[in-house]
Amino acid sequence: GQQVMQIPQYQHVQEGEDFTTYCNSSTTLSNIQWYKQRPGGHPVFLIQLVKSGEVKKQKRLTFQFGEAKKNSSLHITATQTTDVGTYFCAVGNQGGKLIFGQGTELSVKP
Amino acid sequence: DTGVSQDPRHKITKRGQNVTFRCDPISEHNRLYWYRQTLGQGPEFLTYFQNEAQLEKSRLLSDRFSAERPKGSFSTLEIQRTEQGDSAMYLCASRKAGRYQETQYFGPGTRLLVL
Repeated sequence: GQQVMQIPQYQHVQEGEDFTTYCNSSTTLSNIQWYKQRPGGHPVFLIQLVKSGEVKKQKRLTFQFGEAKKNSSLHITATQTTDVGTYFCAVGNQGGKLIFGQGTELSVKP
Repeated sequence: DTGVSQDPRHKITKRGQNVTFRCDPISEHNRLYWYRQTLGQGPEFLTYFQNEAQLEKSRLLSDRFSAERPKGSFSTLEIQRTEQGDSAMYLCASRKAGRYQETQYFGPGTRLLVL
C-alpha cells in the first residue's frame, strides 16, 4: 500500500527562524493532507492538496505539492512558540482512511 | 473542540483485563474511523464504518479487538485480554462519506496504559 516518509523527525529552532518539513512517496499520490498535533493533543486538520504543483498559504504556513505528486512540504516562516507540535502529512486512501507519515516534531526556543 | 467526543479520556488497566472505549462522532457524519497512535509515531488506521457497516479492518486489528457501530451513530472499540503492547492513544475520527477531499475530524483520544 501507499506509504509516506517524512523528514526530519525533529527540528529545533529559535523563535523567528523558518521551519520546513518534507513528505515523500515512491508512488504518485492522489492527495496529501497536513495535520498538526500539539503536545498531549490530537491531530488537527490543516489543509489538503490535490493538484500537481499546488501551493497554498495559510498566514505564515506555505504548503506545496510536487509536480510529480510524489512529495509535499510544509514551510513555516518566522516561527512562533505557538507553532510547537508535531506536523504530520497523510494520504487519504480508499474509503477515506488516512496513511500518516512519522511526523516532524517542532520545538521553538523563545 | 471538533465535535467528536471520546470516553474515557484515560484508562489504566491490568494485563489480561478487557477494556471498551466509546466514540461519538459529529452527528451528520456517516463515516467513522479508529486509529491507534504510539509515542513518537503517526496514527495507524485500525478500522472504519460507513453507517453501521464495518467496511475495512487493518491487519493491526487482532482477534482480541472488536469494533461496533450498532445504530450508525456512536461506536465502541473493545480490547479483550489486554497486553502491555496495547498501550497507546486510541483516536476516533469522523467525516461525511464522499471522495477523499472530505475533512476528517479527530476526537481527543483515549489514552490506554496496560500495566
